[in-house]
Amino acid sequence: DTGVSQDPRHKITKRGQNVTFRCDPISEHNRLYWYRQTLGQGPEFLTYFQNEAQLEKSRLLSDRFSAERPKGSFSTLEIQRTEQGDSAMYLCASSLELVNYGYTFGSGTRLTVV
Amino acid sequence: ILNVEQSPQSLHVQEGDSTNFTCSFPSSNFYALHWYRWETAKSPEALFVMTLNGDEKKKGRISATLNTKEGYSYLYIKGSQPEDSATYLCALNSTGNQFYFGTGTSLTVIP
Repeated sequence: DTGVSQDPRHKITKRGQNVTFRCDPISEHNRLYWYRQTLGQGPEFLTYFQNEAQLEKSRLLSDRFSAERPKGSFSTLEIQRTEQGDSAMYLCASSLELVNYGYTFGSGTRLTVV
Repeated sequence: ILNVEQSPQSLHVQEGDSTNFTCSFPSSNFYALHWYRWETAKSPEALFVMTLNGDEKKKGRISATLNTKEGYSYLYIKGSQPEDSATYLCALNSTGNQFYFGTGTSLTVIP
């Protein structure tokens, strides 16, 4: 297992387009998280899954955002009708159920909306 | 939303200097505090998970302390090296489900 992988690493899109990111967590981790980091800020929580169930969503996750983890393995984060304010680093992390083990992060997907 | 603050925002030190940063957080509903190191173009790397008041953790030249009653944690780096240059993030876990991150301290170690 090579850790948490995210694809793509970088994405440039025009305003109004839809984008989808993928995250492959560590296989034995049942929790998967999405965070967003904008310039000058720390990562902000978006949503998390335990297995295939999406258990919590932040108010930051507007109707244009949707996340799935259909078989409890990889996850996708889709942004519809992108806006310039969506430009950020999108980080995925996975963990065991006991959060005291900490997260293992992916390298992130940097989204630029032009 | 819980407010986690880190200071200083950035720091430049000479190679060999020792340094420390602060992470402040609300002391109520504390569950755990995590420290991460984030190098440019890499993924954040977990350094420490701290849960008990008075905890002290050490990993090589890096150590951390925790005071849950007053709501702060210190990260120390002894004899800084250029490879220590990174952003150091602390994250508060209060519910067990999500972390509240600080904005980080950006450390640059000058050779």
